[in-house]
Amino acid sequence: DAGVIQSPRHEVTEMGQEVTLRCKPISGHNSLFWYRQTIMRGLELLIYFNNNVPIDDSGMPEDRFSAKMPNASFSTLKIQPSEPRDSAVYFCASSLKTGGQLGGYTFGSGTRLTVV
Amino acid sequence: AQSVSQHNHHVILSEAASLELGCNYSYGGTVNLFWYVQYPGQHLQLLLKYFSGDPLVKGIKGFEAEFIKSKFSFNLRKPSVQWSDTAEYFCAVNEGYSSASKIIFGSGTRLSIRP
Repeated sequence: DAGVIQSPRHEVTEMGQEVTLRCKPISGHNSLFWYRQTIMRGLELLIYFNNNVPIDDSGMPEDRFSAKMPNASFSTLKIQPSEPRDSAVYFCASSLKTGGQLGGYTFGSGTRLTVV
Repeated sequence: AQSVSQHNHHVILSEAASLELGCNYSYGGTVNLFWYVQYPGQHLQLLLKYFSGDPLVKGIKGFEAEFIKSKFSFNLRKPSVQWSDTAEYFCAVNEGYSSASKIIFGSGTRLSIRP
């Protein structure tokens, strides 16, 4: 299994530009989570999906942030327009519930976003 | 609402010292508890997890954690640390019975090991 795949690994963009981060969860996992990590705020849950449906987006900081999951194997996190304070590492994670076995999350390698 | 507290922000130890990192959570119902490790420049990896049963959980790399329900704690321990244990450690919790509910992470504890 290739694990959770995120792209790009690094993104440098100018303030005001649109940024799209991509995530491919582990095949068969039915939950997907987007986290943002900064030194100041630590790990923040932005949004999560169950069976492709957004369940809780209360962590999305502003309307500039949006996330979609058009199918079970792909999700995007979009920032439009981007601002320097959006600079962070964005992690995607997926999980599966199988009967009584709960595996926790599997994280992707993250996208390091720098907005200048 | 659930929350997780990690009281130690930065711990510095010498190799072979024993380690205990504190974690307390607030939630009245059934919980699942996790410890994740993040090595420098890498993503989070699961160290160990508790769902039910024996409150003493053994994980990878010699780590263990003990769930004490009465204290709402899930402290991480290792009897003898190595330089390669230098990393950030995150305690996390989610509601019981479903890994599909959101996991709440603590703020993390940075562990530095002196060779």
